[in-house]
Amino acid sequence: AQSVTQLDSQVPVFEEAPVELRCNYSSSVSVYLFWYVQYPNQGLQLLLKYLSGSTLVKGINGFEAEFNKSQTSFHLRKPSVHISDTAEYFCAVRTRSGYSTLTFGKGTMLLVSP
Amino acid sequence: EAQVTQNPRYLITVTGKKLTVTCSQNMNHEYMSWYRQDPGLGLRQIYYSMNVEVTDKGDVPEGYKVSRKEKRNFPLILESPSPNQTSLYFCASSSLGGDFTPPGELFFGEGSRLTVL
Repeated sequence: AQSVTQLDSQVPVFEEAPVELRCNYSSSVSVYLFWYVQYPNQGLQLLLKYLSGSTLVKGINGFEAEFNKSQTSFHLRKPSVHISDTAEYFCAVRTRSGYSTLTFGKGTMLLVSP
Repeated sequence: EAQVTQNPRYLITVTGKKLTVTCSQNMNHEYMSWYRQDPGLGLRQIYYSMNVEVTDKGDVPEGYKVSRKEKRNFPLILESPSPNQTSLYFCASSSLGGDFTPPGELFFGEGSRLTVL
């Protein structure tokens, strides 16, 4: 079975500062990795995904993430955040082979202040 | 517009009073799933369905039932709700990827906030 650990439950930053949201996963087999974002009072939407190929993946709203197999990490980054990026961010993982449920981390709340 | 629609969005009920939360998607997706979201616990899967008449338990199925009689609908049934089922519920759907497994890009509804007194 796979698992996901999001190391920070809350990350406060100032507007225009860079941010990194950390995600580590555990799995005995190869995985697909995802980041979802949940804006206040909304459902989750896909931010970006790593399926194969380049380990640096770019998503919507200027976010990117890097897959690091040796460190089993998939950290999310943005060089300059906006107030509108305030939201909860979820890392998720599923295995590549067979049916595998999508396992979510517990979420990281990104709080951007002026 | 492609969407997953849940109803009701908000509901307050009492212990033991049966309720159903409906979920409908208009994207012709085979795969549908229910999650509950609780503070500090993230999202946990309740039930999922790979296609019509095919359902299976997720991580926290106790106290819930589902049915999948039509491709577009996947209602969540609480036969006898209890206070520990107070939560925010999300329905999600996706198309099937290669090898008949969900590709992972889930489309979510806006959530149903349920309070059981």
